[in-house]
Amino acid sequence: TQLLEQSPQFLSIQEGENLTVYCNSSSVFSSLQWYRQEPGEGPVLLVTVVTGGEVKKLKRLTFQFGDARKDSSLHITAAQPGDTGLYLCAGKVWGYQKVTFGTGTKLQVIP
Amino acid sequence: KAGVTQTPRYLIKTRGQQVTLSCSPISGHRSVSWYQQTPGQGLQFLFEYFSETQRNKGNFPGRFSGRQFSNSRSEMNVSTLELGDSALYLCASSLAGGNDNEQFFGPGTRLTVL
Repeated sequence: TQLLEQSPQFLSIQEGENLTVYCNSSSVFSSLQWYRQEPGEGPVLLVTVVTGGEVKKLKRLTFQFGDARKDSSLHITAAQPGDTGLYLCAGKVWGYQKVTFGTGTKLQVIP
Repeated sequence: KAGVTQTPRYLIKTRGQQVTLSCSPISGHRSVSWYQQTPGQGLQFLFEYFSETQRNKGNFPGRFSGRQFSNSRSEMNVSTLELGDSALYLCASSLAGGNDNEQFFGPGTRLTVL
């Protein structure tokens, strides 16, 4: 059973468009991270959200943690080709020590 | 501050052989986790080491093992390699693990089993 489901799995958009990626679970997370991974490289940490309802902004990227701490979203405004990559959410369920990674969203931004 | 380093970056082995991968965490980080990444299964947790002790373990067979040294460097070993072990193996370090979830990943070792 996958604890963290991401949607969509694949996304191909034109430069300048907006998009939202979702990360959903039936479990409550103590905190949640978003990573971006480029081919042949390790994931790079973008942000950590901790408090239910928390919103964090990183330039054109907006991250939100659900009120119930079971879901999160990543919104990109005016996507650029440099945003292309695999986006992964990850978190630790309350009471468990292991970090669980989401299924991933592969984003392609076409110039 | 240097990031997480992994060696080697690429490795080709044949079925039945064994392999050892190495990971040097960020200076001061005491927790090292290992992950296997494949197109079909995504990122799967292998194990986590903290202060030379295995603290958590994923659902992988006993052919996968690891250890951590007093300087926090870690090695991962896979014995009796199978074709399905072909994957990107990622190492991640964090300050203390536990409730500190922020992990910093190395570039990975791409293992191909022929």
